[in-house]
Amino acid sequence: RKEVEQDPGPFNVPEGATVAFNCTYSNSASQSFFWYRQDCRKEPKLLMSVYSSGNEDGRFTAQLNRASQYISLLIRDSKLSDSATYLCVVNPGGGADGLTFGKGTHLIIQP
Amino acid sequence: DVKVTQSSRYLVKRTGEKVFLECVQDMDHENMFWYRQDPGLGLRLIYFSYDVKMKEKGDIPEGYSVSREKKERFSLILESASTNQTSMYLCASGTGSMGNQPQHFGDGTRLSIL
Repeated sequence: RKEVEQDPGPFNVPEGATVAFNCTYSNSASQSFFWYRQDCRKEPKLLMSVYSSGNEDGRFTAQLNRASQYISLLIRDSKLSDSATYLCVVNPGGGADGLTFGKGTHLIIQP
Repeated sequence: DVKVTQSSRYLVKRTGEKVFLECVQDMDHENMFWYRQDPGLGLRLIYFSYDVKMKEKGDIPEGYSVSREKKERFSLILESASTNQTSMYLCASGTGSMGNQPQHFGDGTRLSIL
């Protein structure tokens, strides 16, 4: 079983709509969770950390469900500039080693 | 802002060459990482380091080595480049002993081995 799984998409969404996608992880002992955004041919950039209580940053809301072992990202009032690949990232062991990256969900916001 | 700088954006080398990829960070981070990213495979960890002169193998260390002589600098070395090492290489740095802090990436190096 893959450690971090995401629907690769693409998700084609009209501008202004709300879109949500999930990511599942296999290691129940995972400690840290993040969402990164990656534009085409660019490096991944941190979008937001995911806290146990859920957190919101403007139009973006991230939630963690430990019982079902998934995290979610919700984007409200989507903009054309939100088009990107969104990477789910988990630290499976809680150690200082590398994070485990999902392969990403490709989002396309259409005018 | 965290600044992670990779020495080259694009690099073309020949099979059998020894290739050096350099990465420098300016945030005094303890941890530094090298990944490669390939279509359909996502990011895969090659090596990481949590202190000067310390290194740990990641998921795909074969064919690579690393050097961390100074805290701010982490070098990836392809001992004898092969065509299957053509990829996007990403360096990252981070802090926190429990890995509970995010990592910050450089711009990446697109390496082509001919």
